[in-house]
Amino acid sequence: AQKITQTQPGMFVQEKEAVTLDCTYDTSDPSYGLFWYKQPSSGEMIFLIYQGSYDQQNATEGRYSLNFQKARKSANLVISASQLGDSAMYFCAMRDQKEYGNKLVFGAGTILRVKS
Amino acid sequence: DVKVTQSSRYLVKRTGEKVFLECVQDMDHENMFWYRQDPGLGLRLIYFSYDVKMKEKGDIPEGYSVSREKKERFSLILESASTNQTSMYLCASRNRGYTGELFFGEGSRLTVL
Repeated sequence: AQKITQTQPGMFVQEKEAVTLDCTYDTSDPSYGLFWYKQPSSGEMIFLIYQGSYDQQNATEGRYSLNFQKARKSANLVISASQLGDSAMYFCAMRDQKEYGNKLVFGAGTILRVKS
Repeated sequence: DVKVTQSSRYLVKRTGEKVFLECVQDMDHENMFWYRQDPGLGLRLIYFSYDVKMKEKGDIPEGYSVSREKKERFSLILESASTNQTSMYLCASRNRGYTGELFFGEGSRLTVL
């Protein structure tokens, strides 16, 4: 069975600094996708970044980058130049790559607080 | 603007009541999902559907059922609500394919007294 582990229940970071949110995963499928979502206090889930298991390069989207280490089964999210608006819950998720019925499995989440 | 709409943001029900949570998406997505979110547990999949009238159990289907009579609508049903079903319920949809992300609704916070 697929599993996602986020070991940091909460993190603090100083505004304008970079922060890394940890995510490890476990799967026996050779083909899978990894996602990060942000959930502000308002509750909506915002998609941030995606990494496919066969992608050669780490994914980047603006200030977000995914540090993908396949051998270690880790997919850490790096947020550069943190902003106050980055304070939120962050979820790592994984999906197998079946064509039909593939589902996302989520980790428990990490609460990030950005300090001014 | 793409949208997943959940019918109620907040509901309060009594133990034993039948509860319907409705979800509608306007993106013509094949796949739809119901998750529940609890502190410390993240999001757990209850049921999903990859086509009209098709449904698959997720990781925690007990006590729930679903209905998908039309492509755009996916309903979650609690036949007899219990206090341990007090939670945030999130509906999501996505297109068929390998890399598409999930689009989520705003969530329905259900309290069962």
